[in-house]
Amino acid sequence: GAVVSQHPSRVICKSGTSVKIECRSLDFQATTMFWYRQFPKQSLMLMATSNEGSKATYEQGVEKDKFLINHASLTLSTLTVTSAHPEDSSFYICSAREWSVPNQPQHFGDGTRLSIL
Amino acid sequence: KQEVTQIPAALSVPEGENLVLNCSFTDSAIYNLQWFRQDPGKGLTSLLLIQSSQREQTSGRLNASLDKSSGRSTLYIAASQPGDSATYLCAPNTGGFKTIFGAGTRLFVKA
Repeated sequence: GAVVSQHPSRVICKSGTSVKIECRSLDFQATTMFWYRQFPKQSLMLMATSNEGSKATYEQGVEKDKFLINHASLTLSTLTVTSAHPEDSSFYICSAREWSVPNQPQHFGDGTRLSIL
Repeated sequence: KQEVTQIPAALSVPEGENLVLNCSFTDSAIYNLQWFRQDPGKGLTSLLLIQSSQREQTSGRLNASLDKSSGRSTLYIAASQPGDSATYLCAPNTGGFKTIFGAGTRLFVKA
């Protein structure tokens, strides 16, 4: 079945570092991918919609310059957390859907746990 | 804006009980609805997908129902087991194919 691969699974880095997270659809094409973040014991909050070949659409309250999204191909979207600070520590998850096939579910990556020291 | 509410927020039951987890959503114009399971510190496992035209879906001991017009879905777990302990998330797929999540129901099944 369809699989979404997310890398890395865990990142620990110093404050001020920029961190890139990759999300790949392995056996299907995804013109749109979604990025979520989850704080401890809270639900997943949609951050942005990543559109292949165009600018991402950000949810209200999400800083565009802080969370850079690039969707350069039909199988890859990247989220870069720029100049990360401890408050950016969170669990980030991406999802994708096989758009060519109607009524398909969203497939999720295994998530990236980001810890900023 | 879609808002999703899940009740109860937490549930602790002895092994073997049948359970009902409730989900309500404010925007009934959904394409489908998914139920997920999330283990602590892990990603999401898709359990069931119900299309907007369907009333229910079954997988093993799990049964999910959907009443789109009233904005409700329930997840029924039969004969619960300790391995069912996890957080269960309800997620309707709405306009723009966004998946919006409820806060989840944290389930603990005691052996």
